[in-house]
Amino acid sequence: DSGVTQTPKHLITATGQRVTLRCSPRSGDLSVYWYQQSLDQGLQFLIQYYNGEERAKGNILERFSAQQFPDLHSELNLSSLELGDSALYFCASSVEGSGPGYTFGSGTRLTVV
Amino acid sequence: QQQVKQSPQSLIVQKGGISIINCAYENTAFDYFPWYQQFPGKGPALLIAIRPDVSEKKEGRFTISFNKSAKQFSLHIMDSQPGDSATYFCAAVWGNTPLVFGKGTRLSVIA
Repeated sequence: DSGVTQTPKHLITATGQRVTLRCSPRSGDLSVYWYQQSLDQGLQFLIQYYNGEERAKGNILERFSAQQFPDLHSELNLSSLELGDSALYFCASSVEGSGPGYTFGSGTRLTVV
Repeated sequence: QQQVKQSPQSLIVQKGGISIINCAYENTAFDYFPWYQQFPGKGPALLIAIRPDVSEKKEGRFTISFNKSAKQFSLHIMDSQPGDSATYFCAAVWGNTPLVFGKGTRLSVIA
């Protein structure tokens, strides 16, 4: 157990639907990162939050949004889902808002049918 | 634009052999180069990392070789074991920016 908790582990939904992925960071970590992993693209950075504030944005679609709550857990919202959104979504956390000490969760596997 | 290019995409090594995975980067601002190991159904986990002021770092059977002038770094797994079979990702980071990953190498160690 890495200390980073992601729920749900698996999600199957239809095109056009909206889903919410949840991440609880490791105790004491202020920063949360969301990554998308697909077979041909590897790990793509989506967005980072640090202590409730958006810190950095990567290749995140406008249909996707995220937030970090006062208790530091984070949610990634994916809407108007398309088949191509099917992927593994990972959350990672770190103490600082930077640097190499990322701890990853076990991911949420999203399947859009 | 791929900031970190990783090769090969897949690798099959005999038990006891040496596994070598290579990465190249373009951004000379990168100042930390970690390698992550990922088993099926799990998230990536930090394996070993290096900073550009050293040319080599060794931890057990795992060694990173770093060539700053060529902007390349590689992971060597000595005496590869079936338990090393996993996907390996190189990555790079600088300052407060998020980690940038290579596309991964699927390693299979066969007996």
